[in-house]
Amino acid sequence: NAGVTQTPKFQVLKTGQSMTLQCAQDMNHNSMYWYRQDPGMGLRLIYYSASEGTTDKGEVPNGYNVSRLNKREFSLRLESAAPSQTSVYFCASSENPATTGELFFGEGSRLTVL
Amino acid sequence: AQSVSQHNHHVILSEAASLELGCNYSYGGTVNLFWYVQYPGQHLQLLLKYFSGDPLVKGIKGFEAEFIKSKFSFNLRKPSVQWSDTAEYFCAVNAGSNYQLIWGAGTKLIIKP
Repeated sequence: NAGVTQTPKFQVLKTGQSMTLQCAQDMNHNSMYWYRQDPGMGLRLIYYSASEGTTDKGEVPNGYNVSRLNKREFSLRLESAAPSQTSVYFCASSENPATTGELFFGEGSRLTVL
Repeated sequence: AQSVSQHNHHVILSEAASLELGCNYSYGGTVNLFWYVQYPGQHLQLLLKYFSGDPLVKGIKGFEAEFIKSKFSFNLRKPSVQWSDTAEYFCAVNAGSNYQLIWGAGTKLIIKP
């Protein structure tokens, strides 16, 4: 099983450029998430999708947009990248975390904005 | 606002030493508690979780954690660490029925062989 797959794994952007991070899961999970991980700050939720067709803002949504394309795929878009968006981005999926709790993570995408 | 505090950002131990990593949260209601681990070059994975019942929870690789409600704590323990336990450990809390986990800043654990 592939689990949660993210692409690309590494990306360098110039300020103002746009890009989309792709995420796909093959576990038939209802919920999907995008997090960013910064040193000393743990993981912060950017957006999540509780189920297909719904998306909601997390803790740090500014500068990002998401699309839940279908049950498998959840993409994160940076319309105009800024240096403050330099981070490692993780996609995750789960059943209902209130009942099962476990998130399954992708391997991360390291983004550098110059 | 809800928050999760991990007291130690970096911990260095020798093999066979005992480990305790602290985690405190700020929320007065019912919580679900988690420890996740990120080994070097790997993705985050669940180490153990507490939903209800016995407050002493056992996880993979010999780890355990104790939920102490009166102290709002969920500390991670292991009696004897190994070099392969070198990793970053994250405590997380789910308060209520929403879909958001609140994460601690993480503790980087280095085990000297």
